[in-house]
Amino acid sequence: AQSVTQLGSHVSVSEGALVLLRCNYSSSVPPYLFWYVQYPNQGLQLLLKYTSAATLVKGINGFEAEFKKSETSFHLTKPSAHMSDAAEYFCAVRFSGNTGKLIFGQGTTLQVKP
Amino acid sequence: DSGVTQTPKHLITATGQRVTLRCSPRSGDLSVYWYQQSLDQGLQFLIQYYNGEERAKGNILERFSAQQFPDLHSELNLSSLELGDSALYFCASSPLVAGDTQYFGPGTRLTVL
Repeated sequence: AQSVTQLGSHVSVSEGALVLLRCNYSSSVPPYLFWYVQYPNQGLQLLLKYTSAATLVKGINGFEAEFKKSETSFHLTKPSAHMSDAAEYFCAVRFSGNTGKLIFGQGTTLQVKP
Repeated sequence: DSGVTQTPKHLITATGQRVTLRCSPRSGDLSVYWYQQSLDQGLQFLIQYYNGEERAKGNILERFSAQQFPDLHSELNLSSLELGDSALYFCASSPLVAGDTQYFGPGTRLTVL
């Protein structure tokens, strides 16, 4: 079955440290991949997306993600965490087909310590 | 601000009742999506409409229904409400039927007592 898995429901980093949020998908065909961020009491905001162009995708707020087909992964990184990055992050996948249906991972809460 | 609006922001109701959630997509977007976010199920796709027609259906209960009107706004109707229906309901929109970015509204928080 097509699915997406985020490893680690909670990640804690110190301010200035590397942020690494993991996302793996299961599909025989590379899908479209997205990372969304949700701040408390707000909707989801798109950070970046992979749509079969460059495998290294740069997004907003200094985030980037690399699509690795051999590992079926799309991990999100940021070199230096800021306090304002504290939020919940969702990896989402759109598999092939003529609909926009997104399947979301369970989410990872990022805590940034001063 | 994504440009997607949802009303109401909060809704508190009792079991067995019926409610209607409303969504206005971004100007020009033809697709509207509904998602449910709950603590136990996470974010789940419910249904997609494209230019007034149902396009895809996900984990939507039979007690739930949706429609998209000629002006492209959408409504999600939830009936015979149960405690477990308490959740955050998001609407998203996109220009096309598939493949492009979905922009999410702020959500409607439904509490069933």
